[in-house]
Amino acid sequence: EIVMTQSPATLSVSPGERATLSCRASQSVSSNLAWYQQKPGQAPRLLIYGASTRATGIPARFSGSGSGTEFTLTISSLQSEDFAVYYCQQYNNWPRGGLTFGGGTKVEIK
Amino acid sequence: QVQLQESGPGLVKPSETLSLTCAVSGYSISSGYYWGWIRQPPGKGLEWIGSIYHSGSTYYNPSLKSRVTISVDTSKNQFSLKLSSVTAADTAVYYCARQYIVGAYYFDYWGQGTLVTVSS
Repeated sequence: EIVMTQSPATLSVSPGERATLSCRASQSVSSNLAWYQQKPGQAPRLLIYGASTRATGIPARFSGSGSGTEFTLTISSLQSEDFAVYYCQQYNNWPRGGLTFGGGTKVEIK
Repeated sequence: QVQLQESGPGLVKPSETLSLTCAVSGYSISSGYYWGWIRQPPGKGLEWIGSIYHSGSTYYNPSLKSRVTISVDTSKNQFSLKLSSVTAADTAVYYCARQYIVGAYYFDYWGQGTLVTVSS
Protein backbone atom coordinates (compact mmCIF):
# COMPACT_ATOMS: atom_id res chain seq x y z
CA GLU A 1 0.00 0.00 0.00
CA ILE A 2 1.21 3.49 -0.84
CA VAL A 3 1.32 5.68 2.25
CA MET A 4 0.64 9.39 1.85
CA THR A 5 2.12 11.75 4.44
CA GLN A 6 1.03 15.37 4.69
CA SER A 7 2.86 18.15 6.45
CA PRO A 8 2.48 20.16 8.48
CA ALA A 9 -0.51 18.84 10.38
CA THR A 10 -1.59 22.41 11.09
CA LEU A 11 -0.61 25.58 9.26
CA SER A 12 -1.35 28.99 10.77
CA VAL A 13 -1.60 31.69 8.13
CA SER A 14 -2.89 35.26 8.03
CA PRO A 15 -5.51 36.22 5.44
CA GLY A 16 -3.84 37.43 2.26
CA GLU A 17 -0.69 35.41 2.88
CA ARG A 18 0.56 32.40 0.89
CA ALA A 19 0.05 28.88 2.19
CA THR A 20 2.21 25.96 1.10
CA LEU A 21 1.07 22.43 1.92
CA SER A 22 3.13 19.31 1.32
CA CYS A 23 2.22 15.73 0.48
CA ARG A 24 4.75 12.93 0.23
CA ALA A 25 4.19 9.44 -1.17
CA SER A 26 6.02 6.36 0.11
CA GLN A 27 6.75 5.41 -3.50
CA SER A 28 6.35 7.15 -6.82
CA VAL A 29 2.78 7.91 -7.88
CA SER A 30 3.86 9.82 -11.01
CA SER A 31 1.35 12.67 -11.36
CA ASN A 32 -1.57 10.57 -10.16
CA LEU A 33 -2.49 12.82 -7.27
CA ALA A 34 -5.54 14.84 -6.28
CA TRP A 35 -6.14 17.49 -3.63
CA TYR A 36 -9.38 18.08 -1.76
CA GLN A 37 -10.66 20.80 0.56
CA GLN A 38 -12.96 19.95 3.45
CA LYS A 39 -14.78 22.44 5.65
CA PRO A 40 -16.40 21.46 8.96
CA GLY A 41 -19.57 19.45 8.48
CA GLN A 42 -19.12 19.25 4.72
CA ALA A 43 -17.99 16.65 2.25
CA PRO A 44 -14.58 17.04 0.64
CA ARG A 45 -14.43 19.14 -2.52
CA LEU A 46 -12.10 18.31 -5.39
CA LEU A 47 -9.53 21.06 -6.01
CA ILE A 48 -6.75 19.58 -8.11
CA TYR A 49 -6.19 16.38 -10.09
CA GLY A 50 -3.27 15.15 -12.12
CA ALA A 51 -1.10 16.91 -9.52
CA SER A 52 -1.58 20.31 -11.16
CA THR A 53 -4.91 20.59 -13.02
CA ARG A 54 -7.54 22.67 -11.29
CA ALA A 55 -11.01 21.16 -11.15
CA THR A 56 -13.94 23.03 -12.65
CA GLY A 57 -14.74 26.24 -10.82
CA ILE A 58 -11.66 26.25 -8.60
CA PRO A 59 -10.08 29.71 -8.27
CA ALA A 60 -6.67 30.36 -9.80
CA ARG A 61 -5.17 31.09 -6.36
CA PHE A 62 -5.06 27.32 -5.86
CA SER A 63 -2.18 25.61 -7.62
CA GLY A 64 -0.64 22.17 -7.43
CA SER A 65 2.83 20.99 -8.36
CA GLY A 66 5.14 18.03 -8.07
CA SER A 67 5.51 14.51 -9.37
CA GLY A 68 6.89 11.22 -8.19
CA THR A 69 6.88 11.34 -4.41
CA GLU A 70 6.80 15.06 -3.55
CA PHE A 71 3.79 17.29 -4.09
CA THR A 72 2.76 20.79 -3.09
CA LEU A 73 -0.54 22.63 -2.89
CA THR A 74 -0.14 26.39 -2.85
CA ILE A 75 -2.82 28.90 -2.01
CA SER A 76 -1.39 32.18 -3.25
CA SER A 77 -3.42 34.63 -1.15
CA LEU A 78 -5.59 33.08 1.53
CA GLN A 79 -9.21 34.16 1.61
CA SER A 80 -11.48 33.66 4.60
CA GLU A 81 -13.25 30.81 2.86
CA ASP A 82 -9.97 28.91 2.38
CA PHE A 83 -9.51 28.05 6.04
CA ALA A 84 -10.22 24.34 6.02
CA VAL A 85 -8.57 20.92 6.03
CA TYR A 86 -6.80 19.78 2.86
CA TYR A 87 -6.22 16.18 1.83
CA CYS A 88 -4.12 14.62 -0.89
CA GLN A 89 -5.10 11.33 -2.54
CA GLN A 90 -3.08 9.06 -4.80
CA TYR A 91 -4.61 6.92 -7.52
CA ASN A 92 -1.49 5.47 -9.12
CA ASN A 93 -1.83 2.01 -10.58
CA TRP A 94 -5.62 1.83 -10.10
CA PRO A 95 -7.24 -0.56 -9.42
CA ARG A 96 -4.55 -2.91 -8.18
CA GLY A 97 -2.90 -0.15 -6.16
CA GLY A 98 -6.12 1.00 -4.56
CA LEU A 99 -6.63 4.55 -3.36
CA THR A 100 -5.07 6.20 -0.34
CA PHE A 101 -5.46 9.59 1.30
CA GLY A 102 -3.01 11.63 3.31
CA GLY A 103 -3.78 12.49 6.90
CA GLY A 104 -4.69 16.08 6.09
CA THR A 105 -3.38 19.58 6.79
CA LYS A 106 -5.54 22.02 8.68
CA VAL A 107 -5.12 25.61 7.55
CA GLU A 108 -6.14 27.91 10.37
CA ILE A 109 -6.27 31.64 10.86
CA LYS A 110 -3.16 33.08 12.44
CA GLN B 1 -25.94 18.38 -11.85
CA VAL B 2 -24.85 15.09 -10.34
CA GLN B 3 -26.11 14.55 -6.81
CA LEU B 4 -25.54 11.70 -4.38
CA GLN B 5 -27.44 11.00 -1.18
CA GLU B 6 -26.54 8.43 1.46
CA SER B 7 -29.20 6.73 3.55
CA GLY B 8 -29.31 4.06 6.21
CA PRO B 9 -29.38 3.46 9.96
CA GLY B 10 -27.43 5.90 12.07
CA LEU B 11 -26.87 3.36 14.84
CA VAL B 12 -25.61 -0.19 14.46
CA LYS B 13 -24.86 -2.69 17.19
CA PRO B 14 -21.41 -4.26 17.53
CA SER B 15 -20.97 -7.48 15.52
CA GLU B 16 -23.88 -6.60 13.25
CA THR B 17 -23.81 -5.48 9.61
CA LEU B 18 -23.77 -1.84 8.57
CA SER B 19 -25.88 -1.21 5.46
CA LEU B 20 -25.98 2.04 3.50
CA THR B 21 -27.40 3.05 0.16
CA CYS B 22 -26.36 5.90 -2.13
CA ALA B 23 -29.02 7.28 -4.45
CA VAL B 24 -27.68 9.03 -7.52
CA SER B 25 -29.55 11.73 -9.44
CA GLY B 26 -28.58 13.81 -12.44
CA TYR B 27 -26.55 10.98 -13.95
CA SER B 28 -27.27 7.39 -14.90
CA ILE B 29 -25.00 4.89 -13.16
CA SER B 30 -25.34 2.69 -16.26
CA SER B 31 -23.56 5.33 -18.34
CA GLY B 32 -20.23 4.65 -16.69
CA TYR B 33 -17.83 5.75 -13.95
CA TYR B 34 -16.84 4.04 -10.77
CA TRP B 35 -18.91 4.67 -7.66
CA GLY B 36 -17.15 4.64 -4.33
CA TRP B 37 -17.50 4.67 -0.57
CA ILE B 38 -15.18 6.64 1.70
CA ARG B 39 -15.39 7.01 5.47
CA GLN B 40 -14.10 9.44 8.05
CA PRO B 41 -13.97 8.64 11.77
CA PRO B 42 -14.83 11.62 13.98
CA GLY B 43 -11.95 14.10 13.97
CA LYS B 44 -9.82 11.94 11.68
CA GLY B 45 -8.88 11.62 8.04
CA LEU B 46 -10.43 9.96 5.00
CA GLU B 47 -10.28 6.24 4.25
CA TRP B 48 -11.28 4.68 0.94
CA ILE B 49 -13.52 1.65 1.52
CA GLY B 50 -14.14 0.43 -2.00
CA SER B 51 -15.53 1.16 -5.44
CA ILE B 52 -17.82 -0.47 -7.97
CA TYR B 53 -17.94 -0.06 -11.71
CA HIS B 54 -21.31 0.31 -13.41
CA SER B 55 -20.89 -3.22 -14.76
CA GLY B 56 -20.61 -4.57 -11.22
CA SER B 57 -16.84 -5.06 -10.92
CA THR B 58 -15.72 -4.27 -7.40
CA TYR B 59 -12.48 -3.11 -5.80
CA TYR B 60 -11.95 -2.99 -2.06
CA ASN B 61 -9.47 -1.59 0.42
CA PRO B 62 -7.36 -4.62 1.41
CA SER B 63 -7.70 -3.70 5.08
CA LEU B 64 -11.49 -4.01 4.89
CA LYS B 65 -11.91 -6.50 2.07
CA SER B 66 -12.97 -9.44 4.22
CA ARG B 67 -15.92 -7.48 5.63
CA VAL B 68 -17.06 -5.29 2.73
CA THR B 69 -19.58 -5.85 -0.03
CA ILE B 70 -20.52 -3.15 -2.52
CA SER B 71 -23.33 -3.70 -5.01
CA VAL B 72 -25.11 -1.68 -7.65
CA ASP B 73 -28.76 -1.51 -8.68
CA THR B 74 -28.89 0.25 -12.03
CA SER B 75 -32.70 0.01 -12.18
CA LYS B 76 -32.91 2.21 -9.09
CA ASN B 77 -29.80 4.22 -9.99
CA GLN B 78 -28.21 3.49 -6.64
CA PHE B 79 -25.38 1.53 -5.09
CA SER B 80 -24.95 0.06 -1.65
CA LEU B 81 -22.41 -0.75 1.03
CA LYS B 82 -22.46 -3.59 3.52
CA LEU B 83 -19.83 -3.82 6.25
CA SER B 84 -20.07 -6.87 8.46
CA SER B 85 -18.95 -7.58 12.02
CA VAL B 86 -18.71 -3.92 12.93
CA THR B 87 -16.97 -2.60 16.02
CA ALA B 88 -16.66 0.84 17.58
CA ALA B 89 -13.72 1.46 15.24
CA ASP B 90 -16.20 1.53 12.35
CA THR B 91 -17.96 4.58 13.76
CA ALA B 92 -17.55 7.25 11.10
CA VAL B 93 -19.17 9.55 8.60
CA TYR B 94 -19.68 7.48 5.47
CA TYR B 95 -19.56 9.23 2.11
CA CYS B 96 -20.51 7.97 -1.31
CA ALA B 97 -18.88 9.57 -4.32
CA ARG B 98 -18.47 9.33 -8.07
CA GLN B 99 -15.00 8.28 -9.16
CA TYR B 100 -13.61 9.56 -12.45
CA ILE B 101 -12.33 6.93 -14.87
CA VAL B 102 -10.47 8.42 -17.84
CA GLY B 103 -6.84 7.97 -16.83
CA ALA B 104 -7.39 9.52 -13.43
CA TYR B 105 -9.32 8.12 -10.51
CA TYR B 106 -10.28 10.96 -8.22
CA PHE B 107 -13.68 11.64 -6.67
CA ASP B 108 -15.46 14.53 -8.36
CA TYR B 109 -18.94 14.42 -6.82
CA TRP B 110 -19.66 13.54 -3.20
CA GLY B 111 -22.72 12.93 -1.07
CA GLN B 112 -23.17 14.98 2.10
CA GLY B 113 -22.21 12.02 4.27
CA THR B 114 -24.05 10.11 6.95
CA LEU B 115 -22.84 9.42 10.48
CA VAL B 116 -22.97 5.81 11.55
CA THR B 117 -22.34 5.05 15.20
CA VAL B 118 -21.53 1.54 16.36
CA SER B 119 -22.78 1.09 19.89
CA SER B 120 -24.91 -1.27 21.92
